Amino acid sequence: DIVMTQSPDSLAVSLGERTTINCKSSQSVLYISNNKNYLAWYQQKPGQPPKLLIHWASTRESGVPDRFSASGSGTDFTLTISSMQAEDVAIYYCQQYYNVPFTFGGGTKIEMK
Amino acid sequence: QVQFVQSGAEMKKPGASVKVSCKASGYTFIDYTIHWLRQAPGQRLEWMGWIDVDNGATKYSQRFRGRVTMTWDRSASTSYMDLTSLRSEDTAVYFCTRTRGDYGSSDYWGQGTLVTVSS
Repeated sequence: DIVMTQSPDSLAVSLGERTTINCKSSQSVLYISNNKNYLAWYQQKPGQPPKLLIHWASTRESGVPDRFSASGSGTDFTLTISSMQAEDVAIYYCQQYYNVPFTFGGGTKIEMK
Repeated sequence: QVQFVQSGAEMKKPGASVKVSCKASGYTFIDYTIHWLRQAPGQRLEWMGWIDVDNGATKYSQRFRGRVTMTWDRSASTSYMDLTSLRSEDTAVYFCTRTRGDYGSSDYWGQGTLVTVSS
């Protein structure tokens, strides 16, 4: 199985501050034939299902605010919130869908400082 | 609008089985693959498998092989996940989601179904 490792486990961010979450996969999730990274980012708030933010490693899902951006390729990926808002308090997960079983990172909990 | 409505919470004893349903609406059911995932308390999300509701093909995680069965009713736009031989470690919220194609990100999720396994 591909192991997804996120860092940090948690962080406290001030309103308007920029923050970055890291995700590393134990093997590449870049599919050479179509040059796509099979990597997604989700946001989960308490009592809710996860919400898709980013797919193909860097493509923002429709309706997701542009303060959310993501980058990376192969095994190393990042999610950036350019200006933290109160509604961004949540747990963020990365997921690879390159290989079965699809696997998730352990999550990064973002709180307001 | 796209929506998934899952069946209600279940309380089961160890060794029993549970069947969770997931009714889709707002899109053409056979155009997407349905995946089932779960989230145990304080744990990361865990993928269980998928069912291609166009042809019935399934793919299960090795962790659940032999215990999980995913089925569908095309006419009702509903998918089902059956988990047998329940143990306490199966206590979790179970989600259905959809992807475009078998290998994809989950753009819509059900609300989740809590399954509690306790004697």
